[in-house]
Amino acid sequence: AIRMTQSPSSFSASTGDRVTITCRASQGISSYLAWYQQKPGKAPKLLIYAASTLQSGVPSRFSGSGSGTDFTLTISCLQSEDFATYYCQQYYSYPTWTFGQGTKVEIK
Amino acid sequence: QVQLVESGGGVVQPGGSLRLSCAASGFTFSSYGMHWVRQAPGKGLEWVAFIRYDGSNKYYADSVKGRFTISRDNSKNTLYLQMNSLRAEDTAVYYCAKDQLRGAIHWGQGTLVTVSS
Repeated sequence: AIRMTQSPSSFSASTGDRVTITCRASQGISSYLAWYQQKPGKAPKLLIYAASTLQSGVPSRFSGSGSGTDFTLTISCLQSEDFATYYCQQYYSYPTWTFGQGTKVEIK
Repeated sequence: QVQLVESGGGVVQPGGSLRLSCAASGFTFSSYGMHWVRQAPGKGLEWVAFIRYDGSNKYYADSVKGRFTISRDNSKNTLYLQMNSLRAEDTAVYYCAKDQLRGAIHWGQGTLVTVSS
């Protein structure tokens, strides 16, 4: 089974910061990677698919990059509404999915 | 607009059974594969199961294989998850999600399953 490892697990940041979250797959997954944002008590929200394609309606401060085994999610200028937990998800093994363990972005 | 509404969660004893439902509306349900994803309290997301648009193929996470059964009734626009031999570690919020081949845009609000004596 493909394993997804995110880093860091959590960190603190300030509004306006540029933040980067990384996700590593245990084997190559080409660009079959999505990123989600989840806020407490809510369902996940799809931000990015195909590693770098922004889902419609998602602010352009979010961006994704990478292919193969190493991926990043970048938030160029952190806003108050961006404090949340972020998950990467591989769908290379479609229709089965694997999620990373999550990265919690907290207010400094 | 797309709506997915889960129901059927509750408290069940270890070894017990529960059936979750996910009522779909706002799209042609019979044209889309569907997933169940769960999230234990304070933990991350775990994919549970998938069923193809016509119910012809089903896939399960190793953690639930042999105990859970995913099914659908396209005439009722409803997805199901039959959960048997429940364990404490199955305690989670269970979400249904509409497959988009590249992840899932549409998710339900979730239903909480608590396995406890």
